[in-house]
Amino acid sequence: KQEVTQIPAALSVPEGENLVLNCSFTDSAIYNLQWFRQDPGKGLTSLLLIQSSQREQTSGRLNASLDKSSGRSTLYIAASQPGDSATYLCAVRRRGDYKLSFGAGTTVTVRA
Amino acid sequence: EAGVAQSPRYKIIEKRQSVAFWCNPISGHATLYWYQQILGQGPKLLIQFQNNGVVDDSQLPKDRFSAERLKGVDSTLKIQPAKLEDSAVYLCASSLGLAGLYNEQFFGPGTRLTVL
Repeated sequence: KQEVTQIPAALSVPEGENLVLNCSFTDSAIYNLQWFRQDPGKGLTSLLLIQSSQREQTSGRLNASLDKSSGRSTLYIAASQPGDSATYLCAVRRRGDYKLSFGAGTTVTVRA
Repeated sequence: EAGVAQSPRYKIIEKRQSVAFWCNPISGHATLYWYQQILGQGPKLLIQFQNNGVVDDSQLPKDRFSAERLKGVDSTLKIQPAKLEDSAVYLCASSLGLAGLYNEQFFGPGTRLTVL
């Protein structure tokens, strides 16, 4: 069974600092990995999707890396802004049945 | 392009009452998912439809939860009777398909259920 862990559970940084969010998973037989953002009381917004054959994906200030062999992914957010305050969830999609397994998320607060 | 629609957004009920949630996926998306997200946890898949057939309902508590997707478009999730531990956000998601590049899921805003 795939276990997805996100540490830390919460993070508070001053505006302008770079954010580093970690995700680890126990089964490396994944199809892809996806990072989501969730605002309070809202659904999930997809940020980046990395296929298992890729090492990283970038979108604007966001960069996600994937090391499948070690079961890790890192989401980097450059020059954080108060608007980046949200919960960030990592999810891995299993090979075969393509089921998504989610981590519990990291709640980020960016202080102005 | 319109996103995944869900209603109601919020619902408060007493335990042992019944409740139903509705989801309308993105047009043309064949696959529909219902997730339960308890506070402080990641979403957990309850049921997955491909068109109007059930692909996976292994984590659906079938003694009290039911779901249907008539005509392969919108879907309804029902809880009868509700328990305190059912308090959660119920998320609906859809994707073009199951496999390959088509399985990226798009989520609705969710329905927050509080059972008193």
